[in-house]
Amino acid sequence: QQQVKQSPQSLIVQKGGISIINCAYENTAFDYFPWYQQFPGKGPALLIAIRPDVSEKKEGRFTISFNKSAKQFSLHIMDSQPGDSATYFCAANNQAGTALIFGKGTTLSVSS
Amino acid sequence: SQTIHQWPATLVQPVGSPLSLECTVEGTSNPNLYWYRQAAGRGLQLLFYSVGIGQISSEVPQNLSASRPQDRQFILSSKKLLLSDSGFYLCAWSVGWGGFSNEQFFGPGTRLTVL
Repeated sequence: QQQVKQSPQSLIVQKGGISIINCAYENTAFDYFPWYQQFPGKGPALLIAIRPDVSEKKEGRFTISFNKSAKQFSLHIMDSQPGDSATYFCAANNQAGTALIFGKGTTLSVSS
Repeated sequence: SQTIHQWPATLVQPVGSPLSLECTVEGTSNPNLYWYRQAAGRGLQLLFYSVGIGQISSEVPQNLSASRPQDRQFILSSKKLLLSDSGFYLCAWSVGWGGFSNEQFFGPGTRLTVL
């Protein structure tokens, strides 16, 4: 119940296209869902996060869609750019949790 | 603004040797501190977390240990490294006031190779 399942493992998108990464969880006590972006050799950087009281959050070209009943959330990258090529991790943290539980990551490649 | 530092950036150590990785945070007080390990092709695994000086909780039993000698300093250690200890070690912090804050911010990481 503590797992966060992420898919796909890798993704290739054309420049200007939409990148979509999905995550699913089981523990209904989770109440914070961040996405991190990681470039090779660097630490993950917080990209955007959402709480279950909203179904969507948008920051620039990045949007999180959240489906509480399905226990799923996804990251949409609009107008994908080569600079978006990185590994993306979803995560979850509940109020009583001690830290973040991460998905296994999605490697995104945006071709020009 | 807050800044998190880790050193060394890379480290190559023989099996059986000791280890000491250091993490420091600037620009905040009483942060919650975390050590994660990232293996190739896998997510981040929480190793230790700390809510205050001298307070360490372990998530995964192994030959690693952690210490927090000062408010903004977190150290990861081992007496004898194993081949399986190779990986990318990440320190993170979050705002704390004796509890847990959701937003975590990561350092640049240390790449450890055990030969």
